[in-house]
Amino acid sequence: GNSVTQMEGPVTLSEEAFLTINCTYTATGYPSLFWYVQYPGEGLQLLLKATKADDKGSNKGFEATYRKETTSFHLEKGSVQVSDSAVYFCALSSQGGQNFVFGPGTRLSVLP
Amino acid sequence: DADVTQTPRNRITKTGKRIMLECSQTKGHDRMYWYRQDPGLGLRLIYYSFDVKDINKGEISDGYSVSRQAQAKFSLSLESAIPNQTALYFCATSGWTSGQQETQYFGPGTRLLVL
Repeated sequence: GNSVTQMEGPVTLSEEAFLTINCTYTATGYPSLFWYVQYPGEGLQLLLKATKADDKGSNKGFEATYRKETTSFHLEKGSVQVSDSAVYFCALSSQGGQNFVFGPGTRLSVLP
Repeated sequence: DADVTQTPRNRITKTGKRIMLECSQTKGHDRMYWYRQDPGLGLRLIYYSFDVKDINKGEISDGYSVSRQAQAKFSLSLESAIPNQTALYFCATSGWTSGQQETQYFGPGTRLLVL
């Protein structure tokens, strides 16, 4: 079946550091890939997405590129801020959304 | 106003009690979902519905039931609550954006404590 694997957290960085959160997936066909962010006490919000190979999703300084050859969708940001502290979820959707799978989440803490 | 709302936001109940969590959406989406979130386990799908007449079990449906009262409403029931159902519950909807594969939109969550 489909699955998503993320690097385990927590990840702790200083402000302005470079961020990478790794995500790899297993899926049949051609899934769409997503990153969601969950701020403390809130629901999940879509951060960015990519729907086909080599697409790059970007939002709020975050980027991720759909790499079919390595089945990866790593999240990156060049300079993190304290306000980026949250839990980040990688997810995939396949078969017209009938199969939407989330990774376990990675908690990011950014220190001033 | 929020596109996906959940009530209540917090609930404390006792073992054996029946409770209902409600979800409403104004996005006009056909598809609705219920998830639970436990620390370190991410989100797990309980039930999903692709339209009013379509209800499907997810990964962890045992001990739960759902009702799709209308396109905009999808409720989750715990017929006889037990402590290991203590969790954060999320409702979500999905649809098509710009003619492409769908995105899920989440409610703010309901924090449930079963004593």
